[in-house]
Amino acid sequence: GAGVSQTPSNKVTEKGKYVELRCDPISGHTALYWYRQSLGQGPEFLIYFQGTGAADDSGLPNDRFFAVRPEGSVSTLKIQRTERGDSAVYLCASSLGWPGTDTQYFGPGTRLTVL
Amino acid sequence: SQQGEEDPQALSIQEGENATMNCSYKTSINNLQWYRQNSGRGLVHLILIRSNEREKHSGRLRVTLDTSKKSSSLLITASRAADTASYFCATDQAAGNKLTFGGGTRVLVKP
Repeated sequence: GAGVSQTPSNKVTEKGKYVELRCDPISGHTALYWYRQSLGQGPEFLIYFQGTGAADDSGLPNDRFFAVRPEGSVSTLKIQRTERGDSAVYLCASSLGWPGTDTQYFGPGTRLTVL
Repeated sequence: SQQGEEDPQALSIQEGENATMNCSYKTSINNLQWYRQNSGRGLVHLILIRSNEREKHSGRLRVTLDTSKKSSSLLITASRAADTASYFCATDQAAGNKLTFGGGTRVLVKP
C-alpha cells in the first residue's frame, strides 16, 4: 500500500507567519510521530500520537508548536509566529503501534524555510 | 538532545569494498534501528535489532549490538555506488515510543 505522505514538500514563509504541515500515515497505523531535522544533523523527536491523543509531546520546543490528530489518522503540525530558527526538514513517521511492531516508516518530509 | 553518536562522521570507499560504521548510545534501550537517508529527505528503514539480540543480517547488511558497551555496528558488504547516503542509528527506550537518533555517518561509494 501507499507509504507515509507529507504535504507540502516545500514551504517558504516569512518570519512571524503561521504554517501548517500535514502528514498522512500508512493506513491502519495507530502511532504517528513528528521529528525535525536540521542540516547535517540527525532527526530530533517532537511529538508522538497513539490514536487521537498525544502520548508524548516532550520534544516540542516551545508553545509556538502544536500538533493535532483529531480522527486518529491524518495529523497536522502547526507553527505560530515562525522564526528563522524553525527552518528545517519536518519528518513524519508512523508505525502499527502494537508491541513487537516497532518499525517506524518515514515520509519524505516537508522542508520549511523561514525568511 | 541526541543519544547516539556515529563514528566515523564520514566515510569514503571504493565500490566493492566493505563499509563499517559504529554507533554508541548512553541509556538502556528496547531496540536499536538503522536508517538510510538520501539527499536529506525521507529515511528508509534498514534493520531493527532488539536488546536481547547480538547480531542480525539482511542481504548485504550485518548489524551487531553489544549492550554491555552500549554500542552497535553496521557493516555493508560489497558496497555499490547506490549505497551512497547518510546512515543513522536510532534507539527506542520503550516499545512504540520515540526514536533518539545519532548524528549520522555520511558514506560515499566511489565507482
